Amino acid sequence: EDKVVQSPLSLVVHEGDTVTLNCSYEVTNFRSLLWYKQEKKAPTFLFMLTSSGIEKKSGRLSSILDKKELFSILNITATQTGDSAVYLCGQGSGNTGKLIFGQGTTLQVKP
Amino acid sequence: NAGVTQTPKFQVLKTGQSMTLQCAQDMNHEYMSWYRQDPGMGLRLIHYSVGAGITDQGEVPNGYNVSRSTTEDFPLRLLSAAPSQTSVYFCASRRRTEAFFGQGTRLTVV
Repeated sequence: EDKVVQSPLSLVVHEGDTVTLNCSYEVTNFRSLLWYKQEKKAPTFLFMLTSSGIEKKSGRLSSILDKKELFSILNITATQTGDSAVYLCGQGSGNTGKLIFGQGTTLQVKP
Repeated sequence: NAGVTQTPKFQVLKTGQSMTLQCAQDMNHEYMSWYRQDPGMGLRLIHYSVGAGITDQGEVPNGYNVSRSTTEDFPLRLLSAAPSQTSVYFCASRRRTEAFFGQGTRLTVV
């Protein structure tokens, strides 16, 4: 059964800290791994990863995928209060369009 | 470009009532999905579709029906609402890359 597990489930840091969010998955027919940020409303897209070892970067956020060990990490450097959100990891499989998510990591950045 | 449009934004139902949550996308995406989000549970897949006329069950399909008669529309039906279906519901559409989400429907069943 396809499964996505995120850790930690919640995290409290102070501004300026660096955080690493983890996502592991089990899938029968892997196609892509996606990261989203969710504040009060709908999730917003951050990254899509399909190949191992290639880092995706956007400002202070970066992500990488390890297809051999079946995990991905999302790094946020120099955190700001605006980074406070739920971060969701999703895994897309095969040609079905099926996209499942983990439980999310709730990040709180304190001033 | 509207993207993914969900209606209504809020709804209160009594136990046993039925209703349909509407979802429409204007991006000509093949794939559409319905999720529910409960505190601490992330997004759980209810049903999904790979194109008009084709739907499949997700992780938590019980109590929900879907159909996809057109590429644009993917309604979610609750036949007999239960308090356990109190949740925030998101519709999403995608082609082969990122998924685009609607703004959500907050449903309360009393």
